[in-house]
This record gives sequence, C-alpha cells and structure tokens, in this order.
Amino acid sequence: GENVEQHPSTLSVQEGDSAVIKCTYSDSASNYFPWYKQELGKGPQLIIDIRSNVGEKKDQRIAVTLNKTAKHFSLHITETQPEDSAVYFCAASLGEHSGGGADGLTFGKGTHLIIQP
Amino acid sequence: ETGVTQTPRHLVMGMTNKKSLKCEQHLGHNAMYWYKQSAKKPLELMFVYSLEERVENNSVPSRFSPECPNSSHLFLHLHTLQPEDSALYLCASSQAPLYEQYFGPGTRLTVT
Repeated sequence: GENVEQHPSTLSVQEGDSAVIKCTYSDSASNYFPWYKQELGKGPQLIIDIRSNVGEKKDQRIAVTLNKTAKHFSLHITETQPEDSAVYFCAASLGEHSGGGADGLTFGKGTHLIIQP
Repeated sequence: ETGVTQTPRHLVMGMTNKKSLKCEQHLGHNAMYWYKQSAKKPLELMFVYSLEERVENNSVPSRFSPECPNSSHLFLHLHTLQPEDSALYLCASSQAPLYEQYFGPGTRLTVT
C-alpha cells in the first residue's frame, strides 16, 4: 500500500518569512495530493491540492509543487502570518485510478508550523 | 465548518459499553469516510462508503462497525473497545469521482 513520509515534524519561522514542508510517497499510481491544515479542536481543512498532470499550483500565499519522477511534493507558504500557525498534513490517493470512484487518503504524520512574531 | 457535522463531540465510555458516533454531511456528496487520528500517528483510514456501499474496510477490528443508511448519514457503532482505541474519530465526505474530501470536527473518544 501507499506510504507517505512528511518532514519536518516541527517548523518554526519568523512572521513574514516563507515556510516549506516536504512529502514523499511510495506508490507511483497515486495521482491526487491534497494538503490539510488542522487547528486545535478542529477537523482538517483542505487548503490546496494538486493532481499528477500538473507540476505546480498557486492560491494566493500558498503553493504546491509536484515531482512525479522523484515522487515528492511540497507545500510553500509565503509571507507567513500568525494565523498560519497550525498542524499541516500532506496526503496521497489513487484518485481516478480507484475502482469505486471514492478512495481513501494516506496521510503523512503532520508538521507543526509555528509562526514567531 | 458546518458542511460535515459529527456528534457527540466528546465521548467517554467503559470497555464494556456500546455507543455510536454519528456523522452527517450537508454537501450533497455521495461518498463518506471514517478516519482515526491518534497521538503521534498519521490519520488512518478506517472505512469508505460510496453510494451507500462499503468499498473499503482497512483491516479494522470487528469491535468497530460502520453503517451508512443513506448518502447523508454515516454511523460508527462501538462495542467492547480497548483503551488504545482512544482517539479522535473523523468523518469526511466527497463527491466521487471528484477527489476533494471535507472533514467534520471529529469525536474525541476516551475509553476507560
């Protein structure tokens, strides 16, 4: 089955600086890669995702890059703000390769992002 | 925030109790999922339902029994749990064949 590794487990950056979180996956058939943000006491919130036919995707201050050959993808947050402090999870799934049209996600262990004022 | 709701938000139960967790999605989706989130472990997929049929059971012990009576509701029936089953149980939904999954706030379960 799929295995997703995520690094670092904790990341502390100064407010205004950029943050980068990296993930690798093992199953070359995976083709959907979402990122979730989880704040204390809440469920994970989808913040951005990318499919295997795209190398990069941006949404305001966040961007995700995907290298299918190397089987790794990264989350980039620019101009970090205090409200960006949370735990971030990467995930992978078979997406359109799943038989039933619904496929569970395999998650990384999470990165605790701390924005220092 | 209100697209996927879960009740109760907190539950404490003894090892011999029987309880149920409820999930409801208000997004018109046709697939629903149960995940388990334990401390220091990745979120683990437990069950997948698509069009009210279970399509995946991720080697979950039989003391966890899911039920999906319709596309908007998902239950997780619990009986004779172990202390190591204490965790945050998350429900999610999606609109297959689209991939985006949306999570509820979770039920914090403590088994004593």
